[in-house]
Amino acid sequence: GQQVMQIPQYQHVQEGEDFTTYCNSSTTLSNIQWYKQRPGGHPVFLIQLVKSGEVKKQKRLTFQFGEAKKNSSLHITATQTTDVGTYFCAGNNNDMRFGAGTRLTVKP
Amino acid sequence: DAGVIQSPRHEVTEMGQEVTLRCKPISGHDYLFWYRQTMMRGLELLIYFNNNVPIDDSGMPEDRFSAKMPNASFSTLKIQPSEPRDSAVYFCASRAGNTEAFFGQGTRLTVV
Repeated sequence: GQQVMQIPQYQHVQEGEDFTTYCNSSTTLSNIQWYKQRPGGHPVFLIQLVKSGEVKKQKRLTFQFGEAKKNSSLHITATQTTDVGTYFCAGNNNDMRFGAGTRLTVKP
Repeated sequence: DAGVIQSPRHEVTEMGQEVTLRCKPISGHDYLFWYRQTMMRGLELLIYFNNNVPIDDSGMPEDRFSAKMPNASFSTLKIQPSEPRDSAVYFCASRAGNTEAFFGQGTRLTVV
């Protein structure tokens, strides 16, 4: 299966600051999904990107899919304490392999 | 639907014992995935099924691990014999086609 690399591994921000996590694949992806896992919880689906260059927004979250469909990013504007958790990307070529995740902590 | 149901939620066992983790996927979903999550290795894909057929088990660590899906509503992950390094949270997830996946609450396994 494809290898999905995700950076950074950790990010600590002050509440109100922006946050971005990046996902890179060694192969072209049919689509990419993003999940959020709260501490002690299970991964929960956020969004799926399918088209080359696609950009989707969910309130303060902006998701992008690269033109070559090998990379993606998640950007959070003005973080809040409720954004705390680990954000995972998953390349979705039938199998569903996750990146290592980016753990976000937010200082009030 | 109650979502993906995993049992047990917690399991503590002694090294060398057999452990069986269970998963009931969402009705109608044709894909089922088993993952292992640890701090060191993140969320690892162990095996996945499509229409009850194992498609890729390359993530299964070794022969001590086995997984079955006898029907569309049930899957098991078995570890025999268990070792302390198997301690982790094991997640099952299901999805319909190439859409969003739904995860169970996970089974926290501790092997002492």
